[in-house]
Amino acid sequence: GNSVTQMEGPVTLSEEAFLTINCTYTATGYPSLFWYVQYPGEGLQLLLKATKADDKGSNKGFEATYRKETTSFHLEKGSVQVSDSAVYFCALSDQGNDYKLSFGAGTTVTVRA
Amino acid sequence: NAGVTQTPKFQVLKTGQSMTLQCAQDMNHEYMSWYRQDPGMGLRLIHYSVGAGITDQGEVPNGYNVSRSTTEDFPLRLLSAAPSQTSVYFCASSTTGAGNTIYFGEGSWLTVV
Repeated sequence: GNSVTQMEGPVTLSEEAFLTINCTYTATGYPSLFWYVQYPGEGLQLLLKATKADDKGSNKGFEATYRKETTSFHLEKGSVQVSDSAVYFCALSDQGNDYKLSFGAGTTVTVRA
Repeated sequence: NAGVTQTPKFQVLKTGQSMTLQCAQDMNHEYMSWYRQDPGMGLRLIHYSVGAGITDQGEVPNGYNVSRSTTEDFPLRLLSAAPSQTSVYFCASSTTGAGNTIYFGEGSWLTVV
């Protein structure tokens, strides 16, 4: 079956630091890959996505590249802000069942001023 | 545009009680689903529906029932609540096209004592 593994947190950073959250996956076929963000007390919001190999998703200064050869979709941001403090989830959807998501465990990121 | 609306936001139940979590979307999405979020486990799919009158089980369906009588509504029923069902529940909806964005509600915090 499908599975997503992402680096364990919590991660604590200073403002303007570089952020990387590793995500690897196991899936059959060609899944779509997603990063969702959950701010304190809120639901999940789509941060970015990629639907095929070598696609790069980007939003709000965050980037992730779909690497089929390493089955990875690592999230990066060059200079984090306090407002980026949140829980980040890596997820994938089945090829042909793009509405069913399998999630990683989530990584809590705290950015300090 | 309200998006995905869940009620109630907070609920405390006693073991053995029943209740229904409501979910409504106003985007005319075919697909709706329910996830539960537990610490260190990400989100796990409980039940889903690809259209009115059609439902199916996800990864963790035991103890939950669903129905989809209209496109807009997808209630989740707990028939006899157990402490193991203490969790945060998220309803989601989307169209069923490839790579389409899945929209989440703000969550329902359920405690079973």
